[in-house]
Amino acid sequence: DAEITQSPRHKITETGRQVTLACHQTWNHNNMFWYRQDLGHGLRLIHYSYGVQDTNKGEVSDGYSVSRSNTEDLPLTLESAASSQTSVYFCASSVGLAGGQETQYFGPGTRLLVL
Amino acid sequence: AQKITQTQPGMFVQEKEAVTLDCTYDTSDPSYGLFWYKQPSSGEMIFLIYQGSYDQQNATEGRYSLNFQKARKSANLVISASQLGDSAMYFCAIRGSGGSNYKLTFGKGTLLTVNP
Repeated sequence: DAEITQSPRHKITETGRQVTLACHQTWNHNNMFWYRQDLGHGLRLIHYSYGVQDTNKGEVSDGYSVSRSNTEDLPLTLESAASSQTSVYFCASSVGLAGGQETQYFGPGTRLLVL
Repeated sequence: AQKITQTQPGMFVQEKEAVTLDCTYDTSDPSYGLFWYKQPSSGEMIFLIYQGSYDQQNATEGRYSLNFQKARKSANLVISASQLGDSAMYFCAIRGSGGSNYKLTFGKGTLLTVNP
């Protein structure tokens, strides 16, 4: 069955370290998204991609970067981790056909703690 | 810019009763889509139901229905015959139109507790 996976599921790191969170989908979806979830804020969009080599900034992109070298993967990199980036991170994907419903399907999430 | 407002931080309902979770939205797009997701305590985000702005009928999916009132810009989720397993956080989200606007804007969520 097609799915979307994230790794690691839990990560503890130190302030200033570079961290990369992986997202892999086998839906063959064009669109991929990264969100962070914090208490009282719901889900906020960090970065998104509408296809290979395409990346775009979302609402809370400072301190994060992504790259899309193939359809299946959109890794999220925290350049220099800060305590404010302690959060739960969700990856999502959608088909990417104009005029469609474009339901986003989510990965299981990664809990990141920055000490 | 799009905005979702969920005014109920928490809701309680008795098992087997119906419950309505409120969602109002703001958008300038002529065409848009509205989504509801469920997040149980295990943490995953589960898609529940979708309503397109030009859909003639309110969406239904099993025990879930969407009370869509376009003029009021509201898209309330109705859960009929609540079950203990419905206890979760519920998020309303909106997707705009135009070009390749596939992004979702989420509300802050409503925590539903179903009491036995």
